[in-house]
Amino acid sequence: KAGVTQTPRYLIKTRGQQVTLSCSPISGHRSVSWYQQTPGQGLQFLFEYFSETQRNKGNFPGRFSGRQFSNSRSEMNVSTLELGDSALYLCASSLGGVVEQYFGPGTRLTVT
Amino acid sequence: AQSVTQLDSQVPVFEEAPVELRCNYSSSVSVYLFWYVQYPNQGLQLLLKYLSGSTLVKGINGFEAEFNKSQTSFHLRKPSVHISDTAEYFCAVSVGSGGGADGLTFGKGTHLIIQP
Repeated sequence: KAGVTQTPRYLIKTRGQQVTLSCSPISGHRSVSWYQQTPGQGLQFLFEYFSETQRNKGNFPGRFSGRQFSNSRSEMNVSTLELGDSALYLCASSLGGVVEQYFGPGTRLTVT
Repeated sequence: AQSVTQLDSQVPVFEEAPVELRCNYSSSVSVYLFWYVQYPNQGLQLLLKYLSGSTLVKGINGFEAEFNKSQTSFHLRKPSVHISDTAEYFCAVSVGSGGGADGLTFGKGTHLIIQP
C-alpha cells in the first residue's frame, strides 16, 4: 500500500508570494491533518479535514488555508508569505482519527 | 489546553546501553499518548501509543513506554540501543475521543545520539 505522498518536496518562494502544497493520503483514508515544523516552535497543528470538511484549525493566521477534495487529496495554501513561514510542512492521513496517523515526508518551504 | 514537556533536548548514549527519554504532559481530561520518531529528512513514524488499558505499551524497534497517570508521564525506554536509533523523538498527546479533529500536541523533541 502506498504511503502518504507530498508534493513538491522542496520549494523556494519570495516574501509576499503565495504557495500551494499538496498531500495525497493513503488509499481509503478520509482524514488529512497538516502540521508545521520549525526549529523554534516545533511541531504545530494547522488544520484537519475529513470528508472535505475542515473539522478543526490550529492557532494560525488566516493566511493559512486548506481544502480537501472528494478523493481525499488535500491542499494547503499560504498567501502573502513571510520569512517566518519557512518550515517543513507535514501532512498525516488516517481513517478518521489521530490514533493511527501516517505522516508523509513533508514539503520543505524556504521563504527568501 | 494540553501541553507536552520533553525534559531533555539531547540524550547521548553509548551503543548497546539502555536509554530513557522523558515526557510529561498536562491535561485536565483523559488523553491519548504517542511517541513518534523522525529520521533526518523524513516524516514522522509512530513508535507506540497509549489509548487505554495496560500502562506498559510495547512498540516497534524494541521500544516501550509506561503511562503513569499520577505523575502525568509517558517515558520511552529501550534496553539496548543501536546506532540506527539515532534520530529525533517526539512525544505527543491528544485529548478527548481521539477523533482527530483536535490534532496532536507535540513536545519539542529529544535528539537521541548513539555513540559507538
